[in-house]
Amino acid sequence: SQQGEEDPQALSIQEGENATMNCSYKTSINNLQWYRQNSGRGLVHLILIRSNEREKHSGRLRVTLDTSKKSSSLLITASRAADTASYFCATDAYPSYDKVIFGPGTSLSVIP
Amino acid sequence: DAMVIQNPRYQVTQFGKPVTLSCSQTLNHNVMYWYQQKSSQAPKLLFHYYDKDFNNEADTPDNFQSRRPNTSFCFLDIRSPGLGDAAMYLCATRRGGLYGNQPQHFGDGTRLSIL
Repeated sequence: SQQGEEDPQALSIQEGENATMNCSYKTSINNLQWYRQNSGRGLVHLILIRSNEREKHSGRLRVTLDTSKKSSSLLITASRAADTASYFCATDAYPSYDKVIFGPGTSLSVIP
Repeated sequence: DAMVIQNPRYQVTQFGKPVTLSCSQTLNHNVMYWYQQKSSQAPKLLFHYYDKDFNNEADTPDNFQSRRPNTSFCFLDIRSPGLGDAAMYLCATRRGGLYGNQPQHFGDGTRLSIL
């Protein structure tokens, strides 16, 4: 498949700690995106990083992309209970820019 | 607010009885997607429309069909639902072109149960 693995599959941390999630993919990409999904809801876009970018920040989120290793990481700093959710990375299925494929996701639990 | 709306939020149907799920959007996006998501799994792409062009995934069962009568609406038809089709169905939209560098916008999904 287009996507590889996300790691870890599940992560449990204390409020205030940082959470790091990793994503790997298999083929060339145009961009990589991270989404959050609260239980029973749709996905919410967090951040998009283009293939020619190495790092991107948005609030407490920091995303890195290493195209040589075909991997990305999402760092959430100073986590809050409200960050409890599943996090998915997604890539376009190059050369089809409009076909978007999701990785298996990381389930994050932030304990108050 | 511009958004993606899926109706109904919960749908119960009988084994083998056709069911239609609907999605509407006010974002005027030209690309629309249907994903199937089973418990604790990633969303799985079923098909997507780029404008009126339909793109089916190779592993999408023939039991699943879709219609897009206009830019705003898209429907997912399951002709003869089986127990394995019980899942959350997610609709998403995106502004196409621009080398795909646009985020997807998701509805809250329809959770389908099969009796």
